[in-house]
Amino acid sequence: GENVEQHPSTLSVQEGDSAVIKCTYSDSASNYFPWYKQELGKRPQLIIDIRSNVGEKKDQRIAVTLNKTAKHFSLHITETQPEDSAVYFCAACSNDYKLSFGAGTTVTVRA
Amino acid sequence: DAGVIQSPRHEVTEMGQEVTLRCKPISGHDYLFWYRQTMMRGLELLIYFNNNVPIDDSGMPEDRFSAKMPNASFSTLKIQPSEPRDSAVYFCASNPTGVGSREQFFGPGTRLTVL
Repeated sequence: GENVEQHPSTLSVQEGDSAVIKCTYSDSASNYFPWYKQELGKRPQLIIDIRSNVGEKKDQRIAVTLNKTAKHFSLHITETQPEDSAVYFCAACSNDYKLSFGAGTTVTVRA
Repeated sequence: DAGVIQSPRHEVTEMGQEVTLRCKPISGHDYLFWYRQTMMRGLELLIYFNNNVPIDDSGMPEDRFSAKMPNASFSTLKIQPSEPRDSAVYFCASNPTGVGSREQFFGPGTRLTVL
């Protein structure tokens, strides 16, 4: 089955700085890579996703890059704000709609 | 739409008791997923359904766990008998089928505590 590894497990950044989270996956058949944000006590919510036919996607302050050859993808958050503090999960999925999640990254934005 | 609905939101029970968690997916969504979240193991997929049919239950930890989806608008996850190590947050999520429809919408979760 698919194995997704996520690094780092915790990340502390100064407000206004950038945050980068990296994930690797094992199954070359995976073609969909979403990122979920989970605030404390809340449900995971999709913030951005990328498909295997695209190398990069951006939505305001967040962007995701995908390297299919190396089987890794990354989340970039620029100009971080206190409300970006949360746990972020990457995931990988093939055509069966089954998501394999990474272990999560706890991001803390220091004011 | 109200989103994915789960009940109860919190459940405290004693070891050995039966626990039933309930989920109502978003109307029109063909896929339904049950996840368990703990600090130690993260987000684990337990089982998922497509058109009310179980597709993959390889994540169900043991025979004490069972899940059903009798119709398109209702699913249950049952634990019998419950054990303290089952304490976790259980999420239900649903997903529509179709091109461009890969987002899974999570419910608010059920926080289960087994004493």
